[in-house]
Amino acid sequence: GENVEQHPSTLSVQEGDSAVIKCTYSDSASNYFPWYKQELGKRPQLIIDIRSNVGEKKDQRIAVTLNKTAKHFSLHITETQPEDSAVYFCAARPTLSSNTGKLIFGQGTTLQVKP
Amino acid sequence: NAGVTQTPKFQVLKTGQSMTLQCAQDMNHNSMYWYRQDPGMGLRLIYYSASEGTTDKGEVPNGYNVSRLNKREFSLRLESAAPSQTSVYFCASSEEGRNTQYFGPGTRLTVL
Repeated sequence: GENVEQHPSTLSVQEGDSAVIKCTYSDSASNYFPWYKQELGKRPQLIIDIRSNVGEKKDQRIAVTLNKTAKHFSLHITETQPEDSAVYFCAARPTLSSNTGKLIFGQGTTLQVKP
Repeated sequence: NAGVTQTPKFQVLKTGQSMTLQCAQDMNHNSMYWYRQDPGMGLRLIYYSASEGTTDKGEVPNGYNVSRLNKREFSLRLESAAPSQTSVYFCASSEEGRNTQYFGPGTRLTVL
């Protein structure tokens, strides 16, 4: 079945540094790739997403890149701040699930930004 | 506009007991989902409902049943709880033709 692998599982950076989280997916026909942020004790919330016809998307300090050939996509956070500390999840939508919105999630990355 | 709501927030069960987790959304979304979240395993889809009257299995459906009561409500039932079902359960919804899933606040379930 479809699978999404996410690395690293934990990431610790100094405030102001950049953070990169990587995901690979198995279904080459997947067409939508969102990233969710989950603060401690809270619900996951969408922070950025990208479709398969786009290679890169930016929103202020966060960006996502997609390499369809290699079947991987990455989240980049620049100038990290303590409030970026959270668990980040990547996800992929298999093409056959386009009408249902079904997503396959990665295992999550715990990001710690040290002041 | 409350978004996605879930009840209860916390629950402790004994092995073999049954219970129903409730989820409701007021955004007129067609699709609704139930996930479980366990440490190191991300969010795993239990069941989903693409529209009122339809339900389908996700990655980990064993031990669970669901009911799409109407367009607003999607419940998850544990008929005979097991310690392996100790987890945090999230409900989510999305609008047909759009991609963003909106999550509820979660239910923390412990099975002793």
